[in-house]
Amino acid sequence: EPEVTQTPSHQVTQMGQEVILRCVPISNHLYFYWYRQILGQKVEFLVSFYNNEISEKSEIFDDQFSVERPDGSNFTLKIRSTKLEDSAMYFCASSVDRAATNEKLFFGSGTQLSVL
Amino acid sequence: ILNVEQSPQSLHVQEGDSTNFTCSFPSSNFYALHWYRWETAKSPEALFVMTLNGDEKKKGRISATLNTKEGYSYLYIKGSQPEDSATYLCAFIPPGEKLVFGKGTKLTVNP
Repeated sequence: EPEVTQTPSHQVTQMGQEVILRCVPISNHLYFYWYRQILGQKVEFLVSFYNNEISEKSEIFDDQFSVERPDGSNFTLKIRSTKLEDSAMYFCASSVDRAATNEKLFFGSGTQLSVL
Repeated sequence: ILNVEQSPQSLHVQEGDSTNFTCSFPSSNFYALHWYRWETAKSPEALFVMTLNGDEKKKGRISATLNTKEGYSYLYIKGSQPEDSATYLCAFIPPGEKLVFGKGTKLTVNP
């Protein structure tokens, strides 16, 4: 069964450093997402991406964050200058159609980011 | 602020017990409700996508109901098995593309 893959599974970085989290969505999916979960809190929406541009973003997704689909398969999340509070599990997801229709999201297994 | 609440936060049951949990969400601007099952160290996996008031969906021993007028959904598990142990997340979808998640119900089924 096709799946969303994320790399790395764990990333440790120093505060102020840039990190890039990588995802390979399912190949025929058109909508791509990043979510995160800070330990003990709810899973939070960061950004959705469709047709090579951001279609919706949350307040969390400020100028320190960016997303890119550099080729036909990868979808990346970049955090320019990491802060301690960016430590979280970051999930990539994809779907055939937008979430507000009858389509479910397929999630990757996450990248645990630890900022020291 | 859109708020999704799930109860209980955690639940321990014996193998063979039936159980249910609740998801409460805003009753206005409703587009869809998703239920996901999330096992430790794995990806959250979709169980149900529900869009219509009164929807009832079933997958094996797991079923869900939806009341959009009053803003709640129930997830039922009949005859729980140890492999049902997981965190069950519900997500409300308002207009747009984001999912608004509850905190989840962590189910542990003891053999």
